[in-house]
Amino acid sequence: DAGVIQSPRHEVTEMGQEVTLRCKPISGHNSLFWYRQTMMRGLELLIYFNNNVPIDDSGMPEDRFSAKMPNASFSTLKIQPSEPRDSAVYFCASSPLGGGAYIQYFGAGTRLSVL
Amino acid sequence: AQSVTQLGSHVSVSEGALVLLRCNYSSSVPPYLFWYVQYPNQGLQLLLKYTTGATLVKGINGFEAEFKKSETSFHLTKPSAHMSDAAEYFCAVSDRTDDKIIFGKGTRLHILP
Repeated sequence: DAGVIQSPRHEVTEMGQEVTLRCKPISGHNSLFWYRQTMMRGLELLIYFNNNVPIDDSGMPEDRFSAKMPNASFSTLKIQPSEPRDSAVYFCASSPLGGGAYIQYFGAGTRLSVL
Repeated sequence: AQSVTQLGSHVSVSEGALVLLRCNYSSSVPPYLFWYVQYPNQGLQLLLKYTTGATLVKGINGFEAEFKKSETSFHLTKPSAHMSDAAEYFCAVSDRTDDKIIFGKGTRLHILP
């Protein structure tokens, strides 16, 4: 399996623009997680899905952030409008089963720079 | 609520020396515990996990960790450091009530030649 695939790997945009990050989980995994990593705040869980349904979005910082999972093989994280403080590395992870006992497999991340 | 504290944001050891990365957790129920490693410009990958049973768990690349309930600790060790071990290490905990795992702030391990 190719693992969790994220695109793009790098994104540079200007403040106010819309940004869409994409994630393809490992086939057969039914849990998907979006994280944000910054030096100041470390690794933060933004939202996670089970079977394409959002379960917990309490980590989404504000209404400018939205996430969707239209099917089992694709998810997006959208920021509209983007701000410089959104600059971070965004990770997607998938897990084969629900429940905290199970391993999360991470993508390589998208490094977002908002100018 | 569950939480994880990693002592030391940076740890330096000489090549060949013992690696010890400290992790303490807080959980109201018996936890599941994890160590993940992140190499530069990569995502996190699992080193090892504790769920139930034997309290000493072995992971990849010669790492191991011991679950000590009385000390609420899950420290990561490796007998002999290698240059390739230079990375950031994250301890994580789950209280098993949902699918989330809570990550610590991370410890960056530096290996001195």
